[in-house]
Amino acid sequence: DAKTTQPNSMESNEEEPVHLPCNHSTISGTDYIHWYRQLPSQGPEYVIHGLTSNVNNRMASLAIAEDRKSSTLILHRATLRDAAVYYCILPAGRRALTFGSGTRLQVQP
Amino acid sequence: DARVTQTPRHKVTEMGQEVTMRCQPILGHNTVFWYRQTMMQGLELLAYFRNRAPLDDSGMPKDRFSAEMPDATLATLKIQPSEPRDSAVYFCASGLVLSGGGPDTQYFGPGTRLTVL
Repeated sequence: DAKTTQPNSMESNEEEPVHLPCNHSTISGTDYIHWYRQLPSQGPEYVIHGLTSNVNNRMASLAIAEDRKSSTLILHRATLRDAAVYYCILPAGRRALTFGSGTRLQVQP
Repeated sequence: DARVTQTPRHKVTEMGQEVTMRCQPILGHNTVFWYRQTMMQGLELLAYFRNRAPLDDSGMPKDRFSAEMPDATLATLKIQPSEPRDSAVYFCASGLVLSGGGPDTQYFGPGTRLTVL
């Protein structure tokens, strides 16, 4: 899998937007960008994925740089329930996910 | 609401005992993954299956771990004999790989927390 770089931790206030960055300068043309998150004491859960265009779903938005070397996961209004570790992953052909250390998001009330 | 289920949720055992963890993937999914999470190593892939056939088990210690899919609704991960270093949370995930390629979303179970004394 292509290497990704994320900040170790970030803080946000409740009901404010959160922008979680991910650098993936070695991304190949066919690599999708996936985001998963892991809430405390739970298994990881899928958040969003994209290839080239920005993507939106009910959980978040994914903004992908034009050169695809970086992306940003956007939580439009953070809630306390969004406190989790967020993983940016570029799975290769093997389909399994390689998890890095992710970004631990803390949300303050 | 379809979910991956895992049993048991918690297991405490003594070193040398056999441990079997079970996973029921989401109905219709054709890919099953086993991951292990520890504080030191984070989340790491142990093995995965597609259409019940093992595709990659390079992450598993072969001498003590074994993974099988007796049928499409059951995946098992067995450790024999167990050791204290096997203490971890073991996650099962399932997904649907489409023939046209592209990414497949993985759905994770709640995990089995294993403690080997």
